[in-house]
Amino acid sequence: GNSVTQMEGPVTLSEEAFLTINCTYTATGYPSLFWYVQYPGEGLQLLLKATKADDKGSNKGFEATYRKETTSFHLEKGSVQVSDSAVYFCALKSTPGGYQKVTFGIGTKLQVIP
Amino acid sequence: EPEVTQTPSHQVTQMGQEVILRCVPISNHLYFYWYRQILGQKVEFLVSFYNNEISEKSEIFDDQFSVERPDGSNFTLKIRSTKLEDSAMYFCASSGLKTSSSYNEQFFGPGTRLTVL
Repeated sequence: GNSVTQMEGPVTLSEEAFLTINCTYTATGYPSLFWYVQYPGEGLQLLLKATKADDKGSNKGFEATYRKETTSFHLEKGSVQVSDSAVYFCALKSTPGGYQKVTFGIGTKLQVIP
Repeated sequence: EPEVTQTPSHQVTQMGQEVILRCVPISNHLYFYWYRQILGQKVEFLVSFYNNEISEKSEIFDDQFSVERPDGSNFTLKIRSTKLEDSAMYFCASSGLKTSSSYNEQFFGPGTRLTVL
């Protein structure tokens, strides 16, 4: 079955540091890949997505590239801010179907200190 | 911007009691989902719902669980007889029409924290 493995946190960084959160996946076919973010006290928000190999998703300075050869979708940001403190979830859907379930990783808590 | 809403934000119940968690999906969406997250664990899929029937359910979604779309706007998750291990954050999500740009994306609500004592 489908699975997502991401690094366990918490990750603590100083403001303006470089961020990488690793994510690898196991899936049949050609899954769509996602990063969701959960800010304290809020729900899950889609941060970025990629639907095919070599696609790069980007949003709010965050980027992730769909690497089929390494089955990875690592999240990066060049310079984190305190406001980026949140839990980040890597996720996938097997196919683009509207009813397909999303499979999540365990989530990585990021804390950015001034 | 349209969003998924959920009520209540926090529900406390006694073991064995029935609870109903409520969700209002985005208005023109047709696919609806429930997920849950036990504290410190993964977000897990429970059930998907389309055209007034369940499309897919996980092994977690046993006979104690049911879903319903009682009217044109609400989508509910009922747990008939709650257990301690049902304590979790429950997320509702919805996704749009096949022709829409949001077809491949699920929009999540803020969650209901269920505490079973």
